[in-house]
Amino acid sequence: ETGVTQTPRHLVMGMTNKKSLKCEQHLGHNAMYWYKQSAKKPLELMFVYNFKEQTENNSVPSRFSPECPNSSHLFLHLHTLQPEDSALYLCASSQVLGQGNYGYTFGSGTRLTVV
Amino acid sequence: TQLLEQSPQFLSIQEGENLTVYCNSSSVFSSLQWYRQEPGEGPVLLVTVVTGGEVKKLKRLTFQFGDARKDSSLHITAAQPGDTGLYLCAGPTTYNNNDMRFGAGTRLTVKP
Repeated sequence: ETGVTQTPRHLVMGMTNKKSLKCEQHLGHNAMYWYKQSAKKPLELMFVYNFKEQTENNSVPSRFSPECPNSSHLFLHLHTLQPEDSALYLCASSQVLGQGNYGYTFGSGTRLTVV
Repeated sequence: TQLLEQSPQFLSIQEGENLTVYCNSSSVFSSLQWYRQEPGEGPVLLVTVVTGGEVKKLKRLTFQFGDARKDSSLHITAAQPGDTGLYLCAGPTTYNNNDMRFGAGTRLTVKP
């Protein structure tokens, strides 16, 4: 299997639940990302992992917790979310070389609804 | 803050028409990328432009990077219903190659 695979595609959870989103890339890329896409807002970068090390955390609330066990897998652990966290969560990977970042490969996303 | 502004926000045209969408910033970007996103899917990379003044063609799509590397345009010739989608431009910030900023996108609808 090639590309970036995200599971599940759809998730409905209550505010007291704990769930995890999974992302897997088969491209040999060295960086992986979580983005949030809400209606009428630009894509928001949440977390960046470069060579399995977290390098960015754009002031994301602690109810979102990332995990990157190896360079091919990325998780987003969710707990005590709020209804405003409902959105499309996208995982992406890229090959970052020196000063160059020449594009992302995105997964299909997880459509999350918090009730 | 290296914001990217895209225009128009929405565009609805008939099959066969030509169109241009724009991506503008007051900041310089080392490169800009264009993506197309269909409903229920993640964005798909169409092209990366790197050199000021660069023009790239992808079948009926023509991409141009401004000479000053602050803006880009996407021109579609003879649009088809399959071109329908959300077109996003994106570029890395100058201080962090891993921090890719996205515009809000142009939502294109091509009617048969």
